[in-house]
Amino acid sequence: EAQVTQNPRYLITVTGKKLTVTCSQNMNHEYMSWYRQDPGLGLRQIYYSMNVEVTDKGDVPEGYKVSRKEKRNFPLILESPSPNQTSLYFCASSAVGVSSYNEQFFGPGTRLTVL
Amino acid sequence: AQSVSQHNHHVILSEAASLELGCNYSYGGTVNLFWYVQYPGQHLQLLLKYFSGDPLVKGIKGFEAEFIKSKFSFNLRKPSVQWSDTAEYFCAVDPGTYKYIFGTGTRLKVLA
Repeated sequence: EAQVTQNPRYLITVTGKKLTVTCSQNMNHEYMSWYRQDPGLGLRQIYYSMNVEVTDKGDVPEGYKVSRKEKRNFPLILESPSPNQTSLYFCASSAVGVSSYNEQFFGPGTRLTVL
Repeated sequence: AQSVSQHNHHVILSEAASLELGCNYSYGGTVNLFWYVQYPGQHLQLLLKYFSGDPLVKGIKGFEAEFIKSKFSFNLRKPSVQWSDTAEYFCAVDPGTYKYIFGTGTRLKVLA
């Protein structure tokens, strides 16, 4: 089954304790992206990657890091989480087309609470 | 800065009513446009997308959207909603850079 998986699905942590949220896709997609969803603000793009070893900042990259060492994986790293990073996080992937843009497939989300 | 506006934050309709959700964006160049839906407890799914060609786009579950370039709009419509359409709807724009910009979402509640 084609899917995007995220782990963990729920996480409660404390300020300053480094954490990683994993994202993996099995569709051989080139493009992967991380978003955060906050009430009243919709989804905001954190980072995206066009392919292995190619990453770029989205609209809200501060406080986050990413890496793309393998095509299927795109982990999101919070080196020193703060309470304002409490949010619902979504990973997404899509193919990269020449003549058209393909839809993004979203993971189930990770609900992060930073105390 | 580029932005996407969804003016209706909450919409309540009775079953069989018609639906139109507004979406306006602020980018003057060529854009790719999307509507996504998030059902309660589920992740986002694509409803429909526009890249080029016919500005009236048909999607899944009877939804359609019309791209009006002169108005920078991409409104979502459905002639007759069902209780199962209760969800949050997001308009998204890609100005050709893969830096997707989402609107703030519209929560639709359909009363049975």
